[in-house]
Amino acid sequence: DSGVTQTPKHLITATGQRVTLRCSPRSGDLSVYWYQQSLDQGLQFLIQYYNGEERAKGNILERFSAQQFPDLHSELNLSSLELGDSALYFCASSGERFGDEQFFGPGTRLTVL
Amino acid sequence: AQSVAQPEDQVNVAEGNPLTVKCTYSVSGNPYLFWYVQYPNRGLQFLLKYITGDNLVKGSYGFEAEFNKSQTSFHLKKPSALVSDSALYFCAVRIYNFNKFYFGSGTKLNVKP
Repeated sequence: DSGVTQTPKHLITATGQRVTLRCSPRSGDLSVYWYQQSLDQGLQFLIQYYNGEERAKGNILERFSAQQFPDLHSELNLSSLELGDSALYFCASSGERFGDEQFFGPGTRLTVL
Repeated sequence: AQSVAQPEDQVNVAEGNPLTVKCTYSVSGNPYLFWYVQYPNRGLQFLLKYITGDNLVKGSYGFEAEFNKSQTSFHLKKPSALVSDSALYFCAVRIYNFNKFYFGSGTKLNVKP
């Protein structure tokens, strides 16, 4: 158990809909990262937050947004969903030092029908 | 641009034989290097990391990796493979003073009995 929790575990929805994925980092970790893992594109970095502020942005679509709340949990919002958004979405957290490794949650499997 | 390459999509080894999973990187700056393992339908688990010091680092489950600065490589090794080592392995790099982690495309390790 990494200490990172993600809900829900599975999500099935229709094209055009909006969903919210939730992540709670390990106790004490201020950084939260979001990744998308699909069969054809591997692990894609989406966005990072540190103590409530956006720190780094990757290949995140404009239809996607995220935020980190004062209690440090984070939410990834996906809107106007398309079939191609079906993937595993992982959240990870890490400590403050650049040498700290990331701890990954179990992921949310999103299926868009 | 920063990048990490895992040149082999798949590595097949027999149980009891040594295994190597290759990783090379191209970054501007001092790299921090990581290996993660992913079992089916699970999140990524941290195996080991190189920050500084001894080029040979030892990690979980008997794995080790060697940092080679001149060849910009960080290959993952294990002297004797187990069937239970079969999984997807990811190499990742982080540059000092930068927030993003860069992941390789992953290598599927198959260990046959």
